[in-house]
Amino acid sequence: SAVISQKPSRDICQRGTSLTIQCQVDSQVTMMFWYRQQPGQSLTLIATANQGSEATYESGFVIDKFPISRPNLTFSTLTVSNMSPEDSSIYLCSVEPASGDYNEQFFGPGTRLTVL
Amino acid sequence: GQNIDQPTEMTATEGAIVQINCTYQTSGFNGLFWYQQHAGEAPTFLSYNVLDGLEEKGRFSSFLSRSKGYSYLLLKELQMKDSASYLCAVRDLKLSFGAGTTVTVRA
Repeated sequence: SAVISQKPSRDICQRGTSLTIQCQVDSQVTMMFWYRQQPGQSLTLIATANQGSEATYESGFVIDKFPISRPNLTFSTLTVSNMSPEDSSIYLCSVEPASGDYNEQFFGPGTRLTVL
Repeated sequence: GQNIDQPTEMTATEGAIVQINCTYQTSGFNGLFWYQQHAGEAPTFLSYNVLDGLEEKGRFSSFLSRSKGYSYLLLKELQMKDSASYLCAVRDLKLSFGAGTTVTVRA
């Protein structure tokens, strides 16, 4: 398994500002992902964070709005840029360990973002 | 693309059995997962099926039929702590989630 921590756990931000969310894993992992979960809804994949190269974004998500870094195999950041109230959501980091039995994905505790 | 359907809500009595169905249409298939998510918490892994048939793990079992694009999660001997959202997720190149089924267990 993998233990994942995220910072901050929650934040309240003003419209037009940016927030960077950090994800730290206790072991090296091959795959890291960022998801969004809007109130009462399921998880939507934002992007796959690639170590040493640009992230791979899903349809509807762009690098200018959600820049992602992954400098090594245990750490990644997601920035939510130029925020609007529609960005209010829970943002979750997820990892797929290299030695998992089922290519199982583990999830971090999430960052609850409220944009005023 | 991916299309994953599951019921929105289910209610059952403590000690009973509940079956949550999931149907999917995906461009590829590399396994089906069930996750449990309590309110305000992260999803936690429950089960994984990649071959047809039933996988049993304690009070929880999961079934898969690849030809029918169908899975179910069976929760037996329901407890109050089982009240949560249950997410069906299918992997091809990535993991895609259904909208989740909120299960409420009543005393």
